[in-house]
Order: sequence, then structure tokens, then C-alpha cells
Amino acid sequence: DIVMTQSPATLSVSPGERATLSCRASQSLGSKLAWYQQKPGQAPRLLIYAAATRATGIPARFSGSGSGTEFTLTISSLQSEDFAVYYCQQGLTFGGGTKVEIK
Amino acid sequence: EVQLVESGGAVVQPGGSLRLSCAASGFTFNDYAMYWVRQAPGKSLEWVSHINWDGGSAYYAGSVKGRFTISRDNSKKSLFLQMNNLRVEDTACYYCAKDIGILSAGATFHFWGQGTLVTVSS
Repeated sequence: DIVMTQSPATLSVSPGERATLSCRASQSLGSKLAWYQQKPGQAPRLLIYAAATRATGIPARFSGSGSGTEFTLTISSLQSEDFAVYYCQQGLTFGGGTKVEIK
Repeated sequence: EVQLVESGGAVVQPGGSLRLSCAASGFTFNDYAMYWVRQAPGKSLEWVSHINWDGGSAYYAGSVKGRFTISRDNSKKSLFLQMNNLRVEDTACYYCAKDIGILSAGATFHFWGQGTLVTVSS
């Protein structure tokens, strides 16, 4: 089974700063990776799929990169609404999540 | 506008059964694979099951295989999850989700419902 490892578990960032989240897969499925955002009490929302394609309506400050087993989600300038938990997913497996909190 | 509305969550004793439903609207339901994903309190997300667009193929996580059954009624734009022999560890919020790809089970979860809570406790 694929294991998805996200780091760090918690990321403290000031509004307006850049956030970089990492995701590592135990085996490669090419560029078939997605990122989701989840706010408290809400369902997850698809941000990025195919490693680097933004889903409909997702702001350009969100970008994804990587292939193989190493992937990155970058939020270029954090807005107040971006503080949330972010999950990566490859195949049918999700990572443990990275919580982005206000510094 | 795509909408997915789950229902059927409840408190149930270990060994009990529940049937979850997901009502879909805003898209051509019979063109898309559909998924159930769950999230235990304070935990990450876990794929549970999915079914292809015509209901001809269904897949299950090992933790639920033999106990849960996924089905769909394309005429009613509805997805179901029959959950039998429930265990304490099945306690979670259950989300239904729609694949991003038409006639594809690529496991990219494009839209999600708001979830329905299942609590298994004696």
C-alpha cells in the first residue's frame, strides 16, 4: 500500500508570507497527486490535481509542483482564509495533513 | 451548481447496521464514479469505497470489505452505503464525493458533500 507522508505537521506562518508544504509518497504514481484544503467543520475542497493543475475557482496564489514521490504545495502570500489543514492524496491514500496556523 | 447531500448517519451499537445515502444534483450523475471517504474525529481522511459510473464495478478498503456495500441508483441520482456489523473504529464523518473525470475512476475527489456522522458506541 502507498504511504503518504506530509511535513511539517504544523506550519506557523504570518499573513502575507509564503507557505511551503511537502508530501512524499512511498512509491511513484507519476504526477497523479492532489491537494485538498479543509477548514474546521467543513468538507475538504480540491485545490490542485495532477500535481500542478488548479481546480476551478482556486486562486493563483496556490501552486503545486513535483512528480514521482516528492510534491510541494506553495501558497505564495497567505490570506486569513487560507489557515486550514491541507491534505495530499495519491491513488486512494491520503497523507496525515499539515495544519497551517497563524504565527 | 454541483450538490451532494448525505444522510443516514446515526448513533448505533457495535454489530449494528446503517444505510447512508447521498443525493446528487447539478451534474450528469451517471457519467461519474462516486466515492465514500470517511474521517474519524481528529484524524486524516480515509477512502472507504467507490463505484463506477454505471454501477458495474465496486471497490472497498480492506477495513470494510465484506461488511459494507456501495450501490447507486442513477435514475434517482443517488449513492448508497450499506454498513453492516459496525465496529467502534467505524466511527467517523462519512463524505460522498464525485470524481473529477467523466467516465473515469481516477480518484480525484472534485466535489464533496457536507458529511454525515456515524457513531458506533455501546
